Amino acid sequence: DTAVSQTPKYLVTQMGNDKSIKCEQNLGHDTMYWYKQDSKKFLKIMFSYNNKELIINETVPNRFSPKSPDKAHLNLHINSLELGDSAVYFCASSLNFVSYEQYFGPGTRLTVT
Amino acid sequence: DQQVKQNSPSLSVQEGRISILNCDYTNSMFDYFLWYKKYPAEGPTFLISISSIKDKNEDGRFTVFLNKSAKHLSLHIVPSQPGDSAVYFCAAKGEYGNKLVFGAGTILRVKS
Repeated sequence: DTAVSQTPKYLVTQMGNDKSIKCEQNLGHDTMYWYKQDSKKFLKIMFSYNNKELIINETVPNRFSPKSPDKAHLNLHINSLELGDSAVYFCASSLNFVSYEQYFGPGTRLTVT
Repeated sequence: DQQVKQNSPSLSVQEGRISILNCDYTNSMFDYFLWYKKYPAEGPTFLISISSIKDKNEDGRFTVFLNKSAKHLSLHIVPSQPGDSAVYFCAAKGEYGNKLVFGAGTILRVKS
């Protein structure tokens, strides 16, 4: 059973489109995250939710909107996609907000053409 | 600004020998450090961690050393195995919450 799963694994779309990436964890964790791995390979946190509440919101364009319908799911919606949004997006979860170990999903490779 | 730096993009080691991966950080408020391992097309997986109050943590073949005065940590893998070939990320946690700051990673290749 996959602990943290993301769909889709690959996403190719054109500039200006709106797309969503879904994330689910079956670990019973309270806290979930979205990371972006850019072309320089750095993993940078974008958002963190704890029990469906937003707790970390880094400097991310407001075209990116996370949504957590319940604590097992954290989806990422991106409006008006730009070329610079091309990256690998990783979802992660941790037991709670003070737990240091984060469990990552397999990533979604987004390509904007 | 890169608060966590892994200055070696890649490292190649013979099977059975020691692999040493290095990481430097600039923020003295970081109080917890983690190493993650990543295979292609997979997400990073937690490997080992160390609190800033310690200078060494060991787990089987993996040992992490922390030198706070130098703001440097290293991951030692002994003996290295071909299955250890992966990208290794160093990460640091700040004093507030659980935000992790990652380095760019080091590609380790263990040759058999």
